[in-house]
Amino acid sequence: NFMLTQPHSVSESPGKTVTISCTGSSGSIASNYVQWYQQRPGSAPTTVIYEDDQRPSGVPDRFSGSIDSSSNSASLTISGLKTEDEADYYCQSYDGNNRVLFGGGTKLTVL
Amino acid sequence: QVQLVESGGGVVPPGRSLRLSCVASEFIFDSYAIHWVRQAPGKGLDWVALISHDGSTKYYTDSVRGRFTVSRDNSRNTLFLQMDSLRPDDTAVYFCARWGRKYHFDHWGQGTLVTVTS
Repeated sequence: NFMLTQPHSVSESPGKTVTISCTGSSGSIASNYVQWYQQRPGSAPTTVIYEDDQRPSGVPDRFSGSIDSSSNSASLTISGLKTEDEADYYCQSYDGNNRVLFGGGTKLTVL
Repeated sequence: QVQLVESGGGVVPPGRSLRLSCVASEFIFDSYAIHWVRQAPGKGLDWVALISHDGSTKYYTDSVRGRFTVSRDNSRNTLFLQMDSLRPDDTAVYFCARWGRKYHFDHWGQGTLVTVTS
């Protein structure tokens, strides 16, 4: 079964840049769009990136997404880190059988 | 303002049933597919089921297929999740989420907690 693997946690200082990876277990991650969601404690997720690299209105351009076919991975990059970016981040795609798939989530700490 | 409001969660013993509802407002409900996504305490997001805009197509994650049934009543702008033969590992907050015109979950409910315990 196709799976999406994320690092359990990442940490970085305010003002710096952090990249969170999402690696596909098989096949090509580029075959389906990848989305990224931010979830703060006690709240529902919200989209920060959709269709691999698109930002919803209201999401600052400090957030960017990309696909690297050579490593079969997607990445979420957050530049100019702010303390408010501290949250859990989930990548999302499909497994090829019309079923939605989430990565395990990455806890971002901004310290 | 698009809204999705879940209800129906609670505490039930293993083997029992529960029916969740998700009431939608401020958008054309029968134009959108809706999903159920759950999150066990302290864990990640776990996709549960999808129902197409007209209810004709349904997909389930393997762990709930045969036990859970997703349905919708477009005349009442309401989505349902009938959960039978509940197990302790079904314990989670259950969210309904709209699959938007742009390729993502663009609106989520606040979630309803289901606890399966003896």
